[in-house]
Amino acid sequence: DAGVIQSPRHEVTEMGQEVTLRCKPISGHDYLFWYRQTMMRGLELLIYFNNNVPIDDSGMPEDRFSAKMPNASFSTLKIQPSEPRDSAVYFCASSKTSIAGVTGELFFGEGSRLTVL
Amino acid sequence: KNQVEQSPQSLIILEGKNCTLQCNYTVSPFSNLRWYKQDTGRGPVSLTIMTFSENTKSNGRYTATLDADTKQSSLHITASQLSDSASYICVVRGQAGTALIFGKGTTLSVSS
Repeated sequence: DAGVIQSPRHEVTEMGQEVTLRCKPISGHDYLFWYRQTMMRGLELLIYFNNNVPIDDSGMPEDRFSAKMPNASFSTLKIQPSEPRDSAVYFCASSKTSIAGVTGELFFGEGSRLTVL
Repeated sequence: KNQVEQSPQSLIILEGKNCTLQCNYTVSPFSNLRWYKQDTGRGPVSLTIMTFSENTKSNGRYTATLDADTKQSSLHITASQLSDSASYICVVRGQAGTALIFGKGTTLSVSS
């Protein structure tokens, strides 16, 4: 089975440019998460969706960040305009609520490494 | 405030040696705790999950323990291999409807 697929793997852009990161979750998973990882802060939740509906976006740093999930197989994270402090690795993860009610394991993509010059 | 603290921040050991990573949390009420392994340049992958009633669980050379009374978990790696070099992240979930709380991870380097 294919895992979570993210693109691009690497992105280098200049300050002020728009950045769009893409994610395809595992088929059948009903939760999708966007995380940002830096050395200083570790993994931070930006936003998560349940059945394509945004549930909690309190981790989105500011209005420059936006995320969409138009269908069950695709999500985007957009940064406009980008700034050097946005440089980080952005992970998408998906999960499926287990029958037992124990929250399912997070399956992470390989990440998108963003460098804003 | 719900927090997850991991120690040590980094660790270097020789191949074949054992090591133990620690995770202390203040998340309450508690639901479960997962250990993830993150290889360099890859996404984290779950190693094991510990629920409230579990004290010890093994996954090959990895053994996780949980003491829900003291809110501590450990990950013991036996007979380390070069491929164990990675970051190990402890993630705690509270009861339904609460967010996952991530530790900042322990970076393990296994040298030959």
